[in-house]
Amino acid sequence: AQSVTQPDIHITVSEGASLELRCNYSYGATPYLFWYVQSPGQGLQLLLKYFSGDTLVQGIKGFEAEFKRSQSSFNLRKPSVHWSDAAEYFCAVGATPGFQKLVFGTGTRLLVSP
Amino acid sequence: DTGVSQDPRHKITKRGQNVTFRCDPISEHNRLYWYRQTLGQGPEFLTYFQNEAQLEKSRLLSDRFSAERPKGSFSTLEIQRTEQGDSAMYLCASSFSGAGTDTQYFGPGTRLTVL
Repeated sequence: AQSVTQPDIHITVSEGASLELRCNYSYGATPYLFWYVQSPGQGLQLLLKYFSGDTLVQGIKGFEAEFKRSQSSFNLRKPSVHWSDAAEYFCAVGATPGFQKLVFGTGTRLLVSP
Repeated sequence: DTGVSQDPRHKITKRGQNVTFRCDPISEHNRLYWYRQTLGQGPEFLTYFQNEAQLEKSRLLSDRFSAERPKGSFSTLEIQRTEQGDSAMYLCASSFSGAGTDTQYFGPGTRLTVL
């Protein structure tokens, strides 16, 4: 069965510093991968997605992610973090082609220090 | 376009009561999903509709849970005889199934507290 691991429960980054959030997936075929962000008490907003093609994908709010098949990873990056980026970040995998459900990791809470 | 909406945003109920949540998807989306998110966890899939047909249900969806999408537009999720373990955020998402690579867009969620 497919699964997603986000090894970091919390990460604290200084404002203006770079950010990398880790995501590892387990899935036998080519995965469809997503990063979502959730502010407290809110729903999930899609940051970016990978279906095929270029392994470096650009998203909203200056985020990017790189798909590395050899490492089963899809890490999220941002070169310079803003205080408004403080939120919970979820990595998710779509289980099958034409998938009907997403499998999410447990999330990484990002704290931004001044 | 107006995104996915959910009503109510918050619901507090007593154990044993029934509750119903509503989800209105993005208008042209033919797929609708329900997820449950408990504190400190990622969302977990509950069920999914394509148009009005409910095509998959998770083992998490016990007999006390029922979901409908009567005309392929809005959907309702009902929980009967609520238990404290049902306290969670219930998230709805919708997508358009084109070329097998549809993307799910989420609503703001309904937070249920069972006392």
